Amino acid sequence: DTGVSQDPRHKITKRGQNVTFRCDPISEHNRLYWYRQTLGQGPEFLTYFQNEAQLEKSRLLSDRFSAERPKGSFSTLEIQRTEQGDSAMYLCASSLAGTALRNTEAFFGQGTRLTVV
Amino acid sequence: GQQVMQIPQYQHVQEGEDFTTYCNSSTTLSNIQWYKQRPGGHPVFLIQLVKSGEVKKQKRLTFQFGEAKKNSSLHITATQTTDVGTYFCAGANTGNQFYFGTGTSLTVIP
Repeated sequence: DTGVSQDPRHKITKRGQNVTFRCDPISEHNRLYWYRQTLGQGPEFLTYFQNEAQLEKSRLLSDRFSAERPKGSFSTLEIQRTEQGDSAMYLCASSLAGTALRNTEAFFGQGTRLTVV
Repeated sequence: GQQVMQIPQYQHVQEGEDFTTYCNSSTTLSNIQWYKQRPGGHPVFLIQLVKSGEVKKQKRLTFQFGEAKKNSSLHITATQTTDVGTYFCAGANTGNQFYFGTGTSLTVIP
């Protein structure tokens, strides 16, 4: 396992369709993060998991967005009823759990670029 | 909610000149990380700062964390063309969620 992998790398979908992205973290990492990045902006935090527990999801952009990590390994991010404004790069990152004061390095995947037409 | 701002948004420098980007948070941070993203690439971790007033160096890069743990800076001495990219700070609260800054895009002119 050489890093975080995301699938697919690119997705073009019609408005109103549902899409699902997959993220496979580094195998020993128990934290997994999802971010969205639009052109010229920094990654925008969406949600994160520690093992299979979703510890923060209030930043998911709307109720059309949901994420799962059923067995504490890979994760999926689903967007229902896609809109043109959902077009962006969706990044996944993983890390080891840190402490309350010190986090550990996050390793990012290459991202899934979503285009909604 | 937590906001992390960076200035400047863009910086063009001649090769050999120095470069600095500044990061400011609206809230006190537990720690801050810095990442570099090359054009078309994904963010790559550079360093983490935890202590108030901490200064860390990596070759030509110097990172500082403010005394109040609300601001940070990255300074690059004698830029090279390999330094091209966007530099992001990412501040973490005690909830271990990282909020990325707006980034500073660095262009180095040979």
